[in-house]
Amino acid sequence: SYELTQPPSVSVSPGQTARITCSGDALPKKYAYWYQQKSGQAPVLVIYEDSKRPSGIPERFSGSSSGTMATLTISGAQVGDEADYYCYSTDSSGYHVVFGGGTKLTVL
Amino acid sequence: QVQLVQSGAEVKKPGASVKVSCKASGYTFTSYYMHWVRQAPGQGLEWMAIINPSGGDTNYAQNFQGRVTMTRDTSTSTVYMELSSLRSEDTAVYYCARASQMATTSGPDYWGQGTLVTVSS
Repeated sequence: SYELTQPPSVSVSPGQTARITCSGDALPKKYAYWYQQKSGQAPVLVIYEDSKRPSGIPERFSGSSSGTMATLTISGAQVGDEADYYCYSTDSSGYHVVFGGGTKLTVL
Repeated sequence: QVQLVQSGAEVKKPGASVKVSCKASGYTFTSYYMHWVRQAPGQGLEWMAIINPSGGDTNYAQNFQGRVTMTRDTSTSTVYMELSSLRSEDTAVYYCARASQMATTSGPDYWGQGTLVTVSS
């Protein structure tokens, strides 16, 4: 079965740049989406189609994809950005949909 | 504004079935696919299924094949997810989430509030 691999945790100081990666064999052909989930809340879309930002999402959130890796970058991370972040994509057939295992971002 | 309102929490015994509803509003129901995603306590997001509300065609994750059924009622803009042969490991929050485009590969953009399903004897 298809898998997306994320680091379990990333830690940065306030104001630093946080980078969360997502690795998958089909990412050269398929878009990645990124979700932020704070404790006890439903996920929120922060990046879609690799690098597009939905309205209402701060500009400090950006996305990129190169080869088999997609990256979510949070420039000038804030304490309020502490959350779990998940990537989403599909295998090359588009039939098998998966979320990455999630990355816990700590900002302190 | 787009809203997805799910049915309330459920407690079920092992072996039983549960049916969770998701009522959509604020957009054209038949123009966007709908996902179901679950999250066990302390765990990550797990994709379950997707339905085309227009044609009713579905795609289920291999892990749930034979146990999950997604249906829709276009007259009420409601999608349903039924999970059968419940076991304790199915205890989780279940979310409906609208796909961002009319494509099975499109990730969700709007999410319901979640429905807690507890399986316990």
